[in-house]
Amino acid sequence: SAVISQKPSRDICQRGTSLTIQCQVDSQVTMMFWYRQQPGQSLTLIATANQGSEATYESGFVIDKFPISRPNLTFSTLTVSNMSPEDSSIYLCSGGKTGLETQYFGPGTRLLVL
Amino acid sequence: DAKTTQPNSMESNEEEPVHLPCNHSTISGTDYIHWYRQLPSQGPEYVIHGLTSNVNNRMASLAIAEDRKSSTLILHRATLRDAAVYYCILRDGSGDYKLSFGAGTTVTVRA
Repeated sequence: SAVISQKPSRDICQRGTSLTIQCQVDSQVTMMFWYRQQPGQSLTLIATANQGSEATYESGFVIDKFPISRPNLTFSTLTVSNMSPEDSSIYLCSGGKTGLETQYFGPGTRLLVL
Repeated sequence: DAKTTQPNSMESNEEEPVHLPCNHSTISGTDYIHWYRQLPSQGPEYVIHGLTSNVNNRMASLAIAEDRKSSTLILHRATLRDAAVYYCILRDGSGDYKLSFGAGTTVTVRA
């Protein structure tokens, strides 16, 4: 199994600013992902965080808006850039190991943009 | 990604079984059927998965139709802690391990 923590757990930000969310896994995982969950909605995959290389973004998400880093097998960051109220969401990271079917999720970061 | 269809909501009484259906008529031969649930104010957690045969674990059972076009998640004795959104997800076993979440089924458990 893997335990995933995120920091911060919540934040209130002003429009036009940026916020970096950290995701820490307690063991090495092969894959890490970032999701967004808008109020009352399901989860939408933002990108796959690739260790040591550029993240792979899903349709509708771009690196300039959501830059992602993954310097090693246990840590990743997601930055929400130039925020607007529409970015108010819960951002979740997840991790999994090749060959295992389970993906583990962090508790999420609740972001409110004013 | 192949799509799944689930009812929006279901209600159950505590200590009674809950049967959550999922239709996936366009499932491919390499798609695994996964179930995750999201408790209030938490990230999703893995429940169970299967390919062709029925599966049991400590949390639930997964019954898969012979043609694999539908499946049912069974919670044998619902507790208040089982109140959550349950997601049925198809994941390509030969692919990139990404999960594509649908709307899920909101399960309410009455005491």
